[in-house]
Amino acid sequence: EVQLVESGGGLVQPGGSLRLACAASGFTFSTYWMAWVRQSPGRGLEWVANIKQDGSEKYYVDSVKGRFTISRDNAKNSLYLQMDSLTVDDTAVYYCARDNSHVDYWGQGTLVTVSS
Amino acid sequence: EIVMTQSPATLSVSPGERATLSCRASQSVSSNLAWYQQKLGQAPRLLIYAASTRATGFPARFSGSGSGTQFTLTISSLQSEDFAVYYCQQYNKWPQTFGQGTKVEIE
Repeated sequence: EVQLVESGGGLVQPGGSLRLACAASGFTFSTYWMAWVRQSPGRGLEWVANIKQDGSEKYYVDSVKGRFTISRDNAKNSLYLQMDSLTVDDTAVYYCARDNSHVDYWGQGTLVTVSS
Repeated sequence: EIVMTQSPATLSVSPGERATLSCRASQSVSSNLAWYQQKLGQAPRLLIYAASTRATGFPARFSGSGSGTQFTLTISSLQSEDFAVYYCQQYNKWPQTFGQGTKVEIE
């Protein structure tokens, strides 16, 4: 059974940083693109970033370029999202996602709240 | 980026009735279109991909159609477990983009 379990969310002040992690199991992690997708009442569902199987290609939505960094550790079956210079607009539930172009599996999500 | 527009925003349907949800893309996405179902407090779940291929676990009452810029999700006979929010997503061009969702509620 495919499982994606996020961790690392929480409350952070504007300008702060947070690192999300996703533990993957039930499939051969190293053979799939992976992604982070976020959801907020104001912005709806938004694809944030994705990363190729070996980490050699990464893509970011314009709103997070230069502030967020996606990475992976295939030996640990783990996906990460380093989020810096956070703003209130980054407040959302962040989902780890298996990227088959569409998302065929989602994690349960981790809430990130940016507020002073 | 490609803008996905869903209509209606809310659809009120009685159990057993047919529901038809629409999704329009601001430019052609070929058949690179997915639908997701999201229930309250849960993550979205893949329902349809490649515009018309049903994902594992969903019954035949769910069907998708369309190509280019116009797509439709049809639920032939609504069951109680089908009341949820449905999102479309294009994956023809980066960044992949989602519609704002259609809430299917009990009439």
